[in-house]
Amino acid sequence: GAGVSQTPSNKVTEKGKYVELRCDPISGHTALYWYRQSLGQGPEFLIYFQGTGAADDSGLPNDRFFAVRPEGSVSTLKIQRTERGDSAVYLCASSGGLAGGLDTQYFGPGTRLTVL
Amino acid sequence: GENVEQHPSTLSVQEGDSAVIKCTYSDSASNYFPWYKQELGKGPQLIIDIRSNVGEKKDQRIAVTLNKTAKHFSLHITETQPEDSAVYFCAASSSSGGYNKLIFGAGTRLAVHP
Repeated sequence: GAGVSQTPSNKVTEKGKYVELRCDPISGHTALYWYRQSLGQGPEFLIYFQGTGAADDSGLPNDRFFAVRPEGSVSTLKIQRTERGDSAVYLCASSGGLAGGLDTQYFGPGTRLTVL
Repeated sequence: GENVEQHPSTLSVQEGDSAVIKCTYSDSASNYFPWYKQELGKGPQLIIDIRSNVGEKKDQRIAVTLNKTAKHFSLHITETQPEDSAVYFCAASSSSGGYNKLIFGAGTRLAVHP
C-alpha cells in the first residue's frame, strides 16, 4: 500500500515569506508526527496529532510555526515570516495510534525547505 | 528531558565484516528503542526496534541489544554488504504520555567497502 507522502519535495523561498508543507499519512493511521532534520543531525520532534487535535506541540520552535490536521488525515505545517535558520528537511511520520503509544512510526520522504 | 547520544559518527568497514553502533539515553522512563536507516534523499526507514521488556532482538543479519541498567543499546550488523551503506539513527521514547515522541541520536554514517 501507499506510504506516507509529502509535498512539495523541495521548497525554496525568500526570507520573510510564508510556506505550507503538506503530509498525507498512511490511510487509517490516527497518529501523525512532524519532525525537523537539520543537516548532519537526527530528526527533532515538532508536534504530535492524535486524530484532529494537536496533543503535543512542545517541539515547535516559536509561534511562527503552526500545524493543522482538520479532518484527522492530511496535515499541513505552516511557517510564517520564514528565516534562514528554518532551512531543514521537514519529515512527517504516521502510526496506527495503538493504545500505549509504542507503535512503529513510518516516515515520509520529507520536504527540503531552503530559505534564501 | 530525554537525551540520546550515538557513537561513532562515522564507521567504515569492509564487506563481510561486522558493524556495531552504540547509543546511550538519559531518561530511565524510556521503554522503546527503534533503529532507523536513512539513505540519501529519503526518509528514515525502521530496520529493527526493541522494547524494554527484552534484552535482545534479532532479525537476520541485524540484532539489537539493550542494557536498561546502563541505559545503553546497540545495533549489530553482521556480514555487511555495500547496500548497508547509509546513515543509521537510534532513538528512544517513553510511552508515559500514551504516544511515541522519538528522541533521536545524531546518526552514524556507515560505509561498507567492497
